[in-house]
Amino acid sequence: DTAVSQTPKYLVTQMGNDKSIKCEQNLGHDTMYWYKQDSKKFLKIMFSYNNKELIINETVPNRFSPKSPDKAHLNLHINSLELGDSAVYFCASSQDARNEKLFFGSGTQLSVL
Amino acid sequence: GNSVTQMEGPVTLSEEAFLTINCTYTATGYPSLFWYVQYPGEGLQLLLKATKADDKGSNKGFEATYRKETTSFHLEKGSVQVSDSAVYFCALREGNKLVFGAGTILRVKS
Repeated sequence: DTAVSQTPKYLVTQMGNDKSIKCEQNLGHDTMYWYKQDSKKFLKIMFSYNNKELIINETVPNRFSPKSPDKAHLNLHINSLELGDSAVYFCASSQDARNEKLFFGSGTQLSVL
Repeated sequence: GNSVTQMEGPVTLSEEAFLTINCTYTATGYPSLFWYVQYPGEGLQLLLKATKADDKGSNKGFEATYRKETTSFHLEKGSVQVSDSAVYFCALREGNKLVFGAGTILRVKS
């Protein structure tokens, strides 16, 4: 069983569209994250939720809205997609907010045309 | 804020060569330090960590020593294999989050 799974794996869409990426973890972890990896492999945190509560919200355009219906799921909705949103988005989880061992999903490659 | 700087890649080595990937950090205090590895098509996974000065983290033949004098945490391996080809990320802990460096691509040729 995949510990942290995200869908879709690839997402190709037009500028201006709205899209969602889903993430689920079956590890029983309390904390989940969204990271963005740009074309130069630079990885930057976007959001973190602990037990469905938002605890980290970096400087991210408000077109990006995370939603955590329960602690096993953290979805990312993006409105009005822009070319600069093209990147690989990684979901991750950890046992709790203080635990540094993160388990990552395999990523969603988003291409905005 | 705190930050991590890694050597630029790609680093290309022949099998059995010695590997060093440099990492330096800027931080207030002495944060825990980490190396994560991303194999092709996969998410990142923790490779090793060190929580205080002079600690040495090690795993799978890789080592890194927390050096507060030089604010460094360089990754080393004595003899690399083709299967070590991946992207390596240095990171530090800042509050409730990890701050990652830009990643260094390692390519090992047989």
